[in-house]
Amino acid sequence: AQTVTQSQPEMSVQEAETVTLSCTYDTSESDYYLFWYKQPPSRQMILVIRQEAYKQQNATENRFSVNFQKAAKSFSLKISDSQLGDAAMYFCAYRRVNGETSGSRLTFGEGTQLTVNP
Amino acid sequence: NAGVTQTPKFRILKIGQSMTLQCTQDMNHNYMYWYRQDPGMGLKLIYYSVGAGITDKGEVPNGYNVSRSTTEDFPLRLELAAPSQTSVYFCASSPILDTQYFGPGTRLTVL
Repeated sequence: AQTVTQSQPEMSVQEAETVTLSCTYDTSESDYYLFWYKQPPSRQMILVIRQEAYKQQNATENRFSVNFQKAAKSFSLKISDSQLGDAAMYFCAYRRVNGETSGSRLTFGEGTQLTVNP
Repeated sequence: NAGVTQTPKFRILKIGQSMTLQCTQDMNHNYMYWYRQDPGMGLKLIYYSVGAGITDKGEVPNGYNVSRSTTEDFPLRLELAAPSQTSVYFCASSPILDTQYFGPGTRLTVL
């Protein structure tokens, strides 16, 4: 079974600084997707960024980028120029890619609570 | 385009009561999911559906039932509510094998 581990329950960053959130996963699959979701106090789950395992290039979305190390099974999220609105719980998630109908379920880590200090 | 909507937003149940959590999506997605999120934890899959008339169990299905009579709707039924079902429930939908989009969640307390 796939597992996702986020080893940092809490992180803090100063406004305008850069912070990196860690995620590791365990899988025997060679093809899969990885995601970072943001959950602000409103509890809405918001997709931040996604990475296809077959792509060597790291995904980037504005101030958010990932460092995907497939051999190490590591998928960290870097937030540049942190803003107060980035304060939230961040979840790393994994999804298999295969022909089975159950392959699209997400496996989540336990989350990292990010605080942004003004 | 409302995306994924869930009702109610909040609910308090007494032990042994039953209720249905509603979920509707207007994106014509084939796949729909129900997750629960316990305090300080990630989301765990309860049930999922790959299309109308087809449902299957996830990681934590005990105490719940689902149905999928239309593409748009995927209600979650709680029978004989227990305190262990106190949680936040999220519905999500996706096109086949693509990114999941989540509803705003339902906070359920069982006393």
